[in-house]
Amino acid sequence: QKEVEQDPGPLSVPEGAIVSLNCTYSNSAFQYFMWYRQYSRKGPELLMYTYSSGNKEDGRFTAQVDKSSKYISLFIRDSQPSDSATYLCAMIKSGGSNYKLTFGKGTLLTVNP
Amino acid sequence: EPEVTQTPSHQVTQMGQEVILRCVPISNHLYFYWYRQILGQKVEFLVSFYNNEISEKSEIFDDQFSVERPDGSNFTLKIRSTKLEDSAMYFCASSEANQPQHFGDGTRLSIL
Repeated sequence: QKEVEQDPGPLSVPEGAIVSLNCTYSNSAFQYFMWYRQYSRKGPELLMYTYSSGNKEDGRFTAQVDKSSKYISLFIRDSQPSDSATYLCAMIKSGGSNYKLTFGKGTLLTVNP
Repeated sequence: EPEVTQTPSHQVTQMGQEVILRCVPISNHLYFYWYRQILGQKVEFLVSFYNNEISEKSEIFDDQFSVERPDGSNFTLKIRSTKLEDSAMYFCASSEANQPQHFGDGTRLSIL
């Protein structure tokens, strides 16, 4: 079983739709969770960062973590064509002095005008 | 907003040659990383660096790879004798302690 699983899509939605992106993980040592956005030929750009179960909201973005189910989500409200990108979940295990990220494969999202 | 910068954006090298990828992390960050992304695959951790030494490295980071912080601003990844399978995007990242990592836009390495 892979440590972090993410449906690669692609996902295509009309402008204004609510988008739901998800990752599951197998190792309960993961305690810190991030969502990155990656445009073509660019590096990952941090969108959301959370370390506790529950919801965190930032503008049109909401990150949700359910540690009991080992499941994280990113919701995008009122999606825009500029949101078209690959979305990567990433996580860090607790307990060490190293903060290496373990990534999902990424979900390719297209928002159609 | 401060950012991580990487040079060159694209490097083409013959198999067996040495290549050095360069990164300037965000100035007050203390933790530095290299990641690799082969086309169509996930971003993979290569190595982390803190306090002038490697803190962790992956199985990918074999004896052909090395990292260095030659001065107060640069962080480099060297591949001594490149192989075809080293072709990938290489991303540098940096962070403060207990904070998420910020990435550069990567160097696309093409091995011929």
